Amino acid sequence: AQSVTQPDIHITVSEGASLELRCNYSYGATPYLFWYVQSPGQGLQLLLKYFSGDTLVQGIKGFEAEFKRSQSSFNLRKPSVHWSDAAEYFCAVGAWGNTGKLIFGQGTTLQVKP
Amino acid sequence: EAGVVQSPRYKIIEKKQPVAFWCNPISGHNTLYWYLQNLGQGPELLIRYENEEAVDDSQLPKDRFSAERLKGVDSTLKIQPAELGDSAVYLCASSPGGGRDTGELFFGEGSRLTVL
Repeated sequence: AQSVTQPDIHITVSEGASLELRCNYSYGATPYLFWYVQSPGQGLQLLLKYFSGDTLVQGIKGFEAEFKRSQSSFNLRKPSVHWSDAAEYFCAVGAWGNTGKLIFGQGTTLQVKP
Repeated sequence: EAGVVQSPRYKIIEKKQPVAFWCNPISGHNTLYWYLQNLGQGPELLIRYENEEAVDDSQLPKDRFSAERLKGVDSTLKIQPAELGDSAVYLCASSPGGGRDTGELFFGEGSRLTVL
C-alpha cells in the first residue's frame, strides 16, 4: 500500500536551533517526493521536491531535504529556525505523469519558542 | 499573478443541507484538483480535472458529492446532503498541465465546512 508516515505530530524548537522533520514513505514505483508547508489559514506552499539526481535538494526559505532510498526516507532540515517557520509541514509522494495524485502524510506541526 | 481563489472561506450548515464550493485556478492552468483535508490529517485527492474532463474521481463519494468544470476553467464541488462527517477543509489546487507540469501544485486557501 502506498503511504507516507510523519512520525512526529508536533515538534517544538527554539528560535535559532536546527530542525529535522522526518518522513518515511511506502510506494511501489519510483517515488517523487515533496514537502509542503501550510501556515494557519493559508493554502499549502511547495518547499522543495525530489524527482531524480542529487539526493540532497535545496528549497525555499533555507530548507533542504535528503532522499535516502535505502531507508525510504525524505527528511526535511533547516540549520537555523526562525519564528516565522512555525507552521504545519506535509511530506507527500507521487508518481511521474501522475504527480497531481499526491499521497500526503498527516503533517507535523512546528512550534518555535522565542 | 492571482493565485488559486476559493469561496466561501467558511461555511456552517445544518446536516442534510446542500453546500457548494467554488474554485478559480491560476490563469492558464489546465489541471484542477479538489482535495479533502480532515482535521489533523494530510489532504486526500477527491477529483482531478484535465480541462473539463474528470480524469480521476475514484476517491469522490459519488452518492453525495459531485463536481463540475464545465468550461475547463473554474470548478464547483457540491455536497448534497451534507453529513456531520463532511466537516473538513476542501482545498482546490491547480497546475499547468499539458506537459508543462513541474510537479508543483498551487493550492488555494481552502473552504472550511462545519456541519452541525
